[in-house]
Amino acid sequence: DSGVTQTPKHLITATGQRVTLRCSPRSGDLSVYWYQQSLDQGLQFLIQYYNGEERAKGNILERFSAQQFPDLHSELNLSSLELGDSALYFCASSLQGLSNSGNTIYFGEGSWLTVV
Amino acid sequence: SQKIEQNSEALNIQEGKTATLTCNYTNYSPAYLQWYRQDPGRGPVFLLLIRENEKEKRKERLKVTFDTTLKQSLFHITASQPADSATYLCAHNTDKLIFGTGTRLQVFP
Repeated sequence: DSGVTQTPKHLITATGQRVTLRCSPRSGDLSVYWYQQSLDQGLQFLIQYYNGEERAKGNILERFSAQQFPDLHSELNLSSLELGDSALYFCASSLQGLSNSGNTIYFGEGSWLTVV
Repeated sequence: SQKIEQNSEALNIQEGKTATLTCNYTNYSPAYLQWYRQDPGRGPVFLLLIRENEKEKRKERLKVTFDTTLKQSLFHITASQPADSATYLCAHNTDKLIFGTGTRLQVFP
């Protein structure tokens, strides 16, 4: 158990809909990261937050957005869903931002999203 | 652009042998490289981190090397076991942690 909690574990929704994935980082971790992993691609970095502020951005679509709340939990919002958005979405956390040192990050078990 | 590459072909080896996985990077010089293990449908789990000024890092049956001249990191599992079967990912971090596509290792009894 990494200490990172993600909900829901599984989600099936229709095209065009909007979903919210939730992440609680490890106790004390200030950074939260979101990754997408689909069958034909590796782990794709989406976005990182540090203590409530956006720190780094990857290949995140405009239809997707995220935020980190004062209690440090984070939500990833996916809207106007398409079939190609079906993937495993991971949240990860670390104590500090990566640029400070060789921090490792701890992954949750992911949220399986299926768009039908 | 910064690229990190792993052999996408699966590596199949016999139990007891040493597995060696390769990670190559281009167009940059990472200060750190990390290795993770991922089982199907599960989140990646951190294994080892190696800094650019470290030639080698060990942890139990695992060994990682970092060759800044060759722009390459090697990940070794000695005395491999079927339980080592998984996908192994290398990652580099600057301001974000970018992963390679991973190499699937299958250890046969």
